[in-house]
Amino acid sequence: TQLLEQSPQFLSIQEGENLTVYCNSSSVFSSLQWYRQEPGEGPVLLVTVVTGGEVKKLKRLTFQFGDARKDSSLHITAAQPGDTGLYLCAGVGSGGGADGLTFGKGTHLIIQP
Amino acid sequence: DTGVSQDPRHKITKRGQNVTFRCDPISEHNRLYWYRQTLGQGPEFLTYFQNEAQLEKSRLLSDRFSAERPKGSFSTLEIQRTEQGDSAMYLCASSSPNGQGRRGAFFGQGTRLTVV
Repeated sequence: TQLLEQSPQFLSIQEGENLTVYCNSSSVFSSLQWYRQEPGEGPVLLVTVVTGGEVKKLKRLTFQFGDARKDSSLHITAAQPGDTGLYLCAGVGSGGGADGLTFGKGTHLIIQP
Repeated sequence: DTGVSQDPRHKITKRGQNVTFRCDPISEHNRLYWYRQTLGQGPEFLTYFQNEAQLEKSRLLSDRFSAERPKGSFSTLEIQRTEQGDSAMYLCASSSPNGQGRRGAFFGQGTRLTVV
């Protein structure tokens, strides 16, 4: 079973600060996705990274895929209260469902105004 | 199209009762997935349909669970003889023919099941 470890599990910071959360695995994935989930809602896709070393930016969010395609990071610049949520990474390649989405446990992020 | 919809949003049932959930995917998506999410965990894959064919089932899907997608559109997930351990959020997702690995999976809001 391929496991994705996310860290930190919980993070609470002040509005305006920067932060980085991590997603690590001992296995290689064909691609990796980041989702954001709010309480009582389903996850919403933020980005898919495919190529080792790839960097993608989505406004204040920067996603990086490790060179070996085993790990990824999400950096948020000048965090805002609207960024609060559960950030999930999902590896594509095995785990079920043809495309094989395997989710980590997520990072619970709280941005305090 | 308003996205993936699930019904009901919440269900409270007594242990031993049967429950059925419904998922309506995005209309042009031929792939449909069921996931289960417990507190503090990420979603875990349960089963997957391509059109009306159920192509994969997780080991998490015990004999008490059955899923159908009779006409390749909406899907139902039934749990028979519910147990307290079945309490979780049940998420449905759909994706385009390219699959959830390319453009991602579009999730519904989930059905939160509480077994008392």
